[in-house]
Amino acid sequence: NAGVTQTPKFQVLKTGQSMTLQCAQDMNHEYMSWYRQDPGMGLRLIHYSVGAGITDQGEVPNGYNVSRSTTEDFPLRLLSAAPSQTSVYFCASSAGTGGGGGYTFGSGTRLTVV
Amino acid sequence: GQQVMQIPQYQHVQEGEDFTTYCNSSTTLSNIQWYKQRPGGHPVFLIQLVKSGEVKKQKRLTFQFGEAKKNSSLHITATQTTDVGTYFCAGDSGSARQLTFGSGTQLTVLP
Repeated sequence: NAGVTQTPKFQVLKTGQSMTLQCAQDMNHEYMSWYRQDPGMGLRLIHYSVGAGITDQGEVPNGYNVSRSTTEDFPLRLLSAAPSQTSVYFCASSAGTGGGGGYTFGSGTRLTVV
Repeated sequence: GQQVMQIPQYQHVQEGEDFTTYCNSSTTLSNIQWYKQRPGGHPVFLIQLVKSGEVKKQKRLTFQFGEAKKNSSLHITATQTTDVGTYFCAGDSGSARQLTFGSGTQLTVLP
């Protein structure tokens, strides 16, 4: 059981470039979320999904897109990278509503935008 | 929107001392969860509290959920160096189907 797998682990982008952060889970969880973590600010929700074909915005969605074509995959797309998007990105999944029963987090993607 | 405040932001303790972190929500929660993140790692789920006044224990860790379901605490008895990390609370208001995380308490345990 791999749990939640995120790729890549590290990435450096130039301002204006686009990229996709991959997230896959093998636990058949309905709920998946993307968070960004910045020093002293905890984890802030970017986008989330309550099932295949359903996505919604979180607290800080600007500059990011998501899609959920399958239960397993929930990629996060940066449309035009900006230095303010330098952060650690975590994907998480849960079997229950709002993470009920707890979220399982991936190991994270450390993104630097120069 | 929902806000979850957590204090203190940092705590340094001597090994063997106790540690407590507190979490307060601006709205009534349907449940609250606690996570631990080791330095350089990812958050790991510890526990979920659902009932008003609920108290749960995991070895040296005691978790409480307030009567009004707006606050919570995590208490560690006799800290060990393995307790080092950042502890986050995360509240679920029930309506948005998403968690709001507190800013975390970074625990340092001095040997």
